[in-house]
Amino acid sequence: KAGVTQTPRYLIKTRGQQVTLSCSPISGHRSVSWYQQTPGQGLQFLFEYFSETQRNKGNFPGRFSGRQFSNSRSEMNVSTLELGDSALYLCASSRGRGYEQYFGPGTRLTVT
Amino acid sequence: AQTVTQSQPEMSVQEAETVTLSCTYDTSESDYYLFWYKQPPSRQMILVIRQEAYKQQNATENRFSVNFQKAAKSFSLKISDSQLGDAAMYFCAYRSVGYGGSQGNLIFGKGTKLSVKP
Repeated sequence: KAGVTQTPRYLIKTRGQQVTLSCSPISGHRSVSWYQQTPGQGLQFLFEYFSETQRNKGNFPGRFSGRQFSNSRSEMNVSTLELGDSALYLCASSRGRGYEQYFGPGTRLTVT
Repeated sequence: AQTVTQSQPEMSVQEAETVTLSCTYDTSESDYYLFWYKQPPSRQMILVIRQEAYKQQNATENRFSVNFQKAAKSFSLKISDSQLGDAAMYFCAYRSVGYGGSQGNLIFGKGTKLSVKP
C-alpha cells in the first residue's frame, strides 16, 4: 500500500507570496492532519480534516488555511508569507481518531 | 492543556548496547494514547511504538519497548541491541482519545537526538 505523499518536496518563496502544499493520504484514510516543524518551536499542530470538514485547528494565524477534497486529498495554503514560515510541513493521515497517524516525507518551505 | 517533556536533548549509545529515552507528560485526562516516533535525517517521521493509557501492559515492538508509568506520567522508550540505523531524532507524543470535545491531534516533545557509535 502506498504511503502518504506530499508535493512539492522543496519550495522556495519570497516574502509576501502565497503557497499551496498538497498531501495525498494512504488509501482508505479519511483523516489528514498538518504539522509545522521548526528548530525553535518544534512540531506544532496546524489543523485536522476528516471527510472534507475541518475538525480541529491549532494556534496559527488566519494566513494558514486548508481544505480536504472528496478523495481525502488535502491542501494547505499560506498567504502573505513571512520569513518565520520557513519550516518543514508534515502531513499525516489516519483512518480516524483512535488510529495511528502515518506521516508523509514533508515539504521543506524556505521563505526569502 | 497537555504537555510533553523530553529532558534529554541528546544521547549516545554503543552499537549492540541498550539505551533508554525519557519522556514525561502532563494531562488531566484518564484516557489517551502515547507514541514514540523516529525521525531519521531523511526527515520522514516513522511510528515506533504506541501505548494506550488504559492498558497496564507495556507495549513491545521487536527491539523497542516502553516503560509506561501512568501515575508518574512517565513513558520511556528502551531500545535493545542498538543498531546504526537507530540513529535519529526520537519524539514522544501524546494524543487525546478524541471524543467529548477533546482534541485528537498529536502533541510532541522537543525530541531526543540519538547517536549510535560503531
